[in-house]
Amino acid sequence: EAGVAQSPRYKIIEKRQSVAFWCNPISGHATLYWYQQILGQGPKLLIQFQNNGVVDDSQLPKDRFSAERLKGVDSTLKIQPAKLEDSAVYLCASSPSGGGIGEQFFGPGTRLTVL
Amino acid sequence: SQQGEEDPQALSIQEGENATMNCSYKTSINNLQWYRQNSGRGLVHLILIRSNEREKHSGRLRVTLDTSKKSSSLLITASRAADTASYFCATGDDKIIFGKGTRLHILP
Repeated sequence: EAGVAQSPRYKIIEKRQSVAFWCNPISGHATLYWYQQILGQGPKLLIQFQNNGVVDDSQLPKDRFSAERLKGVDSTLKIQPAKLEDSAVYLCASSPSGGGIGEQFFGPGTRLTVL
Repeated sequence: SQQGEEDPQALSIQEGENATMNCSYKTSINNLQWYRQNSGRGLVHLILIRSNEREKHSGRLRVTLDTSKKSSSLLITASRAADTASYFCATGDDKIIFGKGTRLHILP
């Protein structure tokens, strides 16, 4: 089966600019996650969707980050305006069920560099 | 939080040797997962062990869980160059929290 797709793979922007990432999860997976992974650290959960509803966004910097999941399938993550500290890899993952109950399937990630 | 913390932070071994990395966590868990991340395949799930299990095997991987010590270990036997990667433990029920990982380097 096709894996989790993400685009773009790389993005370079200047601080205060806006950027958007796109994710297409594995077909039929109800739960979708966005993670931020800073170099040398583990992934940090930003937001979790169950179908098209938000389950957890407690670590999402809501003053600059936003995310939506269209019709419970694709999702976009936006940063506006970007800061230097937003430089990271943004990972999208999906799972058939929610939370830590089972395996999550990760996309290749989008590497963001903010200059 | 239920964040796991891996130890050591980095490990270099000769190809063919066994590699052991550990994970400690703070609060009670229902399950613990191990993931691998390398540049070629991204972040991939390796194994999940439930709180009522003490040991689990998958190919060359052996995971143990000691809930009394709140720790888990991942053993990779007969290491290969392709095992060079970062390994993360992840805990959580409603949401997964990853540790900072162990960077494993297999020397030829």
